[in-house]
Amino acid sequence: AQTVTQSQPEMSVQEAETVTLSCTYDTSENNYYLFWYKQPPSRQMILVIRQEAYKQQNATENRFSVNFQKAAKSFSLKISDSQLGDTAMYFCAFMKHSSNYQLIWGAGTKLIIKP
Amino acid sequence: DAGVIQSPRHEVTEMGQEVTLRCKPISGHNSLFWYRQTMMRGLELLIYFNNNVPIDDSGMPEDRFSAKMPNASFSTLKIQPSEPRDSAVYFCASSSRDSYGYTFGSGTRLTVV
Repeated sequence: AQTVTQSQPEMSVQEAETVTLSCTYDTSENNYYLFWYKQPPSRQMILVIRQEAYKQQNATENRFSVNFQKAAKSFSLKISDSQLGDTAMYFCAFMKHSSNYQLIWGAGTKLIIKP
Repeated sequence: DAGVIQSPRHEVTEMGQEVTLRCKPISGHNSLFWYRQTMMRGLELLIYFNNNVPIDDSGMPEDRFSAKMPNASFSTLKIQPSEPRDSAVYFCASSSRDSYGYTFGSGTRLTVV
């Protein structure tokens, strides 16, 4: 069975700093997707970034980028020039390519951006 | 696109009452998921549908919970009778093979007193 581990329950950084959230996963699958979701205090779940396992290039979305290490089964999220609005819970998630789109979730990391 | 629409946004009910949560997925998405989120247990998948057919309901806590998807544009999650331990945020999400991951609704915060 697949598992997703987020080892940092909570992190805090100063505004404008760069922060990296860690995520590791365990799977025997070769084709899969990895996701980072953000849940701000408004509780809306927002997709931040997605990575296909067959792509070697790391995904980027503006200030958000990932470091995908397939052999190490690691999928960290880097937030550059952090902003107060980045304060949220961040969830890492895994999906098998042929799973009817069912996601396996990490426990989440609470990120606080301090002014 | 209006996104995934859930109603109501908040629901407060007395123990023993029936509660119905509603969800309208994104048009064209063929998979729909119901999740429950609590501080203690985090995100739990309750049930998911593919092409309106329930595929896996192993996450449904007990017989008090039921879910239906009568057509591609509507789903309900019903709790009867409700109990205080059912208090949580309930999310609906939809997806398709071509979509960029799940799209979540805004959630329903249920409080059973």
